[in-house]
Amino acid sequence: GNSVTQMEGPVTLSEEAFLTINCTYTATGYPSLFWYVQYPGEGLQLLLKATKADDKGSNKGFEATYRKETTSFHLEKGSVQVSDSAVYFCALGGSQGNLIFGKGTKLSVKP
Amino acid sequence: DTAVSQTPKYLVTQMGNDKSIKCEQNLGHDTMYWYKQDSKKFLKIMFSYNNKELIINETVPNRFSPKSPDKAHLNLHINSLELGDSAVYFCASSQGTRTEQYFGPGTRLTVT
Repeated sequence: GNSVTQMEGPVTLSEEAFLTINCTYTATGYPSLFWYVQYPGEGLQLLLKATKADDKGSNKGFEATYRKETTSFHLEKGSVQVSDSAVYFCALGGSQGNLIFGKGTKLSVKP
Repeated sequence: DTAVSQTPKYLVTQMGNDKSIKCEQNLGHDTMYWYKQDSKKFLKIMFSYNNKELIINETVPNRFSPKSPDKAHLNLHINSLELGDSAVYFCASSQGTRTEQYFGPGTRLTVT
């Protein structure tokens, strides 16, 4: 069945460091891929998405490219800020429209 | 104006009680969902409704019953609450079943 695997956290970085959170998926067909972010005590917010191979989603300095050949959708940001501290979820769109989530990666950014 | 809202935000109750969580979206979407987030932050789909019709019903105890009175509302009723039901429940909505979903703020349910 469809599934998402993302790197285990927590990840702790200093401000202005480079961020990569790895995400790989297993799926039949060509699902849409998403990154969601959950700030402490809040719901999930869509961070970015990609709907087909080689698409690059970007938002707020974050980027991820849909790589069909490696079945990956890694999240990157060139320079993280303290305000980026949150839990990040990689997800793929299931055949019935539900989202299938990875286990989440907690990011802490220190000043 | 909140796009997807849930009430209550916190719910503390005793085992054996029956409780409901309400969800409303003002985005004009036709599909709504309930997800459960456990203590380890893992999120899993419970139910999905499209135009008021149930389209996803994952392996969830039949103590959980969703109800969609119209496209803008999806409520979750839980009978005979158990300790293991303690979690954060998120409502979400989307236009169609293959687009991004927008989430509510969550309802933290604690069963004592």
